[in-house]
Amino acid sequence: GDSVTQMEGPVTLSEEAFLTINCTYTATGYPSLFWYVQYPGEGLQLLLKATKADDKGSNKGFEATYRKETTSFHLEKGSVQVSDSAVYFCALSNAGGTSYGKLTFGQGTILTVHP
Amino acid sequence: DVKVTQSSRYLVKRTGEKVFLECVQDMDHENMFWYRQDPGLGLRLIYFSYDVKMKEKGDIPEGYSVSREKKERFSLILESASTNQTSMYLCAGRTSGSYEQFFGPGTRLTVL
Repeated sequence: GDSVTQMEGPVTLSEEAFLTINCTYTATGYPSLFWYVQYPGEGLQLLLKATKADDKGSNKGFEATYRKETTSFHLEKGSVQVSDSAVYFCALSNAGGTSYGKLTFGQGTILTVHP
Repeated sequence: DVKVTQSSRYLVKRTGEKVFLECVQDMDHENMFWYRQDPGLGLRLIYFSYDVKMKEKGDIPEGYSVSREKKERFSLILESASTNQTSMYLCAGRTSGSYEQFFGPGTRLTVL
C-alpha cells in the first residue's frame, strides 16, 4: 500500500536558519503530494501541494519539488521565523480506483524555532 | 475554501460511554473523513464517506462507526469508549474536483 516517511524529529533551529524536512513516499501510479502544517492548538492547514512530477509547490516562503525519480518531496525554507514553529506533515493522495482522495500521512515533524 | 467545524474542542468521557463527535462542512457533494492523530504515528484514517449514507472503512475502523444522514454532517461514534481511544480526532472535507482536504480544528478526547 501507499506510505509516507518523514525525517525523524524534532527539529530545533535558530531564527533565520535554513530548514529542510525530508519526505519520501511509496505509491502506485502518480499521486498528488502535500505538506500540511499544524500550529499549536489548531487543526491542519494545507501549506503547499504538487500534483505531477517536477511541479514545485510554494507558499509563505516554503517550497517543495515533486521528484518522481527519487520519490521525494522535501520541504525547504531559506530563513525560518519563530512563527514557523509547528508540526509539519507530508502526505500523498492517490486518486485511482475508489480512493476518493484519501490522504496517507507521514508521522509528522515537530519544528521549534528559537529567537 | 471549505469550512469544517467540529462540535467540541475538548471532551472528557468515561470508559464504556457512547460518544458522538460531530463534524459539519459548508459545501455540497463533498467527501468527508475522520482521522485520529497520535504522537509519532501521524494521522490515521478511521472512516470516510463519499456520499450521503455511504461510508467506507479506513485503516483503523475497529471500535468506531460513522453516520452521514445529510451531506453537510458526518458523525463519528464510539459505541463503548475505551482508554486507548484517548486521542485527537480530526474531521476533513474534500473540495470537489481536487484532492485537497480541509480540516476542522480537532476534538481532543480523553477517556478515563
